[in-house]
Amino acid sequence: SAVISQKPSRDICQRGTSLTIQCQVDSQVTMMFWYRQQPGQSLTLIATANQGSEATYESGFVIDKFPISRPNLTFSTLTVSNMSPEDSSIYLCSAWDRANYGYTFGSGTRLTVV
Amino acid sequence: EDKVVQSPLSLVVHEGDTVTLNCSYEVTNFRSLLWYKQEKKAPTFLFMLTSSGIEKKSGRLSSILDKKELFSILNITATQTGDSAVYLCAVEATGTASKLTFGTGTRLQVTL
Repeated sequence: SAVISQKPSRDICQRGTSLTIQCQVDSQVTMMFWYRQQPGQSLTLIATANQGSEATYESGFVIDKFPISRPNLTFSTLTVSNMSPEDSSIYLCSAWDRANYGYTFGSGTRLTVV
Repeated sequence: EDKVVQSPLSLVVHEGDTVTLNCSYEVTNFRSLLWYKQEKKAPTFLFMLTSSGIEKKSGRLSSILDKKELFSILNITATQTGDSAVYLCAVEATGTASKLTFGTGTRLQVTL
């Protein structure tokens, strides 16, 4: 199955700043997704990253707060903007690998906002 | 709205015990149910189930789906301390761009 490299692995950021998380897939994949996992919670989908067009956001998530890019079929970024302590979470990217019919996750980014 | 409920929320067992984790779901246009193991940050794939009554097996782990009763179980036999993790259940629905809806997870701790 596809292998996803995600970075940074972790970061501690000041409130009011922004952080961009990158995911690189080792093969072309049809779909990429961004999830958030708040402490003690399960994974919640933020948005679907669409190649060449604007991302599709889930209820409760907006582009101004979580801008997403997907310039090609192997790469995507998620920016967490104007951060507050409530944004402290693990952020995960995921890819739907049609060739192998499976979902793969990146290694995750543990974000702490102080 | 699609919903996935896992039970128990947490479980502590002794090494060598057998455990059964439960996952029930309500989803429109069900396509598949997936089990993941999450030890640190990244969930790792265990099983994908699409058909009722067919057991998927990998070593000491096995899983089965009941599409009539809308649930799945994950069994782990002869548990080891390395099985300690959060086990996540997720469902995929057709027509939803292949996104997953996750349950809250079961935290399993295996002690010596």
